[in-house]
Amino acid sequence: DIVMTQSPDSLAVSLGERATINCKSSQSVLSSSNNRNYLGWYQKKPGQPPKLLIFWASARESGVPDRFSGSGSGTDFTLTITSLQAEDVAVYYCQQYYITPYNFGQGTKLEIK
Amino acid sequence: EVQVVESGGGLVQPGGSLRLSCAASGFTFSSFSMNWVRQAPGKGLEWLSDITDKSVVHYADSVRGRFTISRDNAKNLLFLQMNNLRAEDTAVYYCTRSRWDCWGQGTVVTVSS
Repeated sequence: DIVMTQSPDSLAVSLGERATINCKSSQSVLSSSNNRNYLGWYQKKPGQPPKLLIFWASARESGVPDRFSGSGSGTDFTLTITSLQAEDVAVYYCQQYYITPYNFGQGTKLEIK
Repeated sequence: EVQVVESGGGLVQPGGSLRLSCAASGFTFSSFSMNWVRQAPGKGLEWLSDITDKSVVHYADSVRGRFTISRDNAKNLLFLQMNNLRAEDTAVYYCTRSRWDCWGQGTVVTVSS
């Protein structure tokens, strides 16, 4: 199984500042057949379903503000939120969908400093 | 509008069974793999199972042998038959399509005596 490990577990950032969340997979999620990283990022707020932010490691989902961006390849990935807004307070998860089980990271709780 | 709606949750005793349903609309259901994901109280997201468009199935170790995923393409329905339920199966259960962009509000399963 591919194990997904996020860091940090929690993060406090001032409004308007940058937040960076890291995700590491125990093996590569880069497909040699299509050169795509099978890695997604989600935002989860209490009482709401997960919201897809980023797919293929760096493609922003339609309707997601451009302050959210994803980067990385192979086994190391990053979600960056530039200019943090109050509504960005949530738990963020990475997930690999390369090989079942499609494991999620443990989550990173983002708060306002 | 692309939409999925989960139903069938409830309170069940340990060892009991439940059948969850997921009604899909707004997309060609038969063309997509579908997944079940859950979130236990205070815990992270956990992928449980998927079924491909060809009805190939996969399971997480935590539910293999107790849960069965199935689909009815004629009715645009996804199912999760859950047997021998345990207290640790208490969670909100979500269905989502393989693009990971569409999630329902979830259905709550509580396993308790």
